[in-house]
Amino acid sequence: QLQMEESGPGLVKPSETLSLTCTVSGGSISSNNHYWGWIRQPPGKGLEWMGNMYYSGSTYYNPSLKGRVTISMDMSKNQFFLRLSSVTAADTAVYYCVSIDMVPDCFDPWGQGTLVTVSS
Amino acid sequence: QSVLTQPPSVSGAPGQRVTISCTGSSSDIGAGYDVHWYQHLSGTAPKLLIYRNTNRPSGVPDRFSGSKSGTSASLAITGLQPEDEGDYYCQSYDSSPSAAYVFGTGTKVTVL
Repeated sequence: QLQMEESGPGLVKPSETLSLTCTVSGGSISSNNHYWGWIRQPPGKGLEWMGNMYYSGSTYYNPSLKGRVTISMDMSKNQFFLRLSSVTAADTAVYYCVSIDMVPDCFDPWGQGTLVTVSS
Repeated sequence: QSVLTQPPSVSGAPGQRVTISCTGSSSDIGAGYDVHWYQHLSGTAPKLLIYRNTNRPSGVPDRFSGSKSGTSASLAITGLQPEDEGDYYCQSYDSSPSAAYVFGTGTKVTVL
């Protein structure tokens, strides 16, 4: 059973880069049946898909993030990463890492989520 | 980028049936993309509830059911239980103008 766990700083200053790690257990991120991705939820707002990565290195990002997002992975550690540059208060959110089963192409499972606050 | 529209809240007494609608457009649900549903209970990770419009993952009670027609989808909970109280989100894919996975606005289910 796949399990996902997010980790990283809970506070980031405006204009800096937000960096989070997702550690996957119960399966390998080199699986050819899964993508690995990030979703966020600002306080009191809805869910926003940020992007996915495939073990081959292919990445797919939400165009609304205007090139600020980068997803990468370290297969030796079974981890993948999120970097979001030039953050503002609008990037304050709970960030979830997720696995995407290519069939049926839905998000399962999710990590517990980690709150990142952007503030000076 | 489109967002799928859900009612902000629904409520019902234990044992009752409630439904949650998810309205999209011709570029997402109406384009034939599948709809998935997620349950988010307080203090827990969001959980896949229904996939590919009508299918329940193993372990999900059969009181949860999904349907899809045209540009909309629905989630029904029959025999509402106190432990069903939480937030529910639909999700699909939007092909235009920008390719992205999209979520519903979310519905708070309250068990009276």
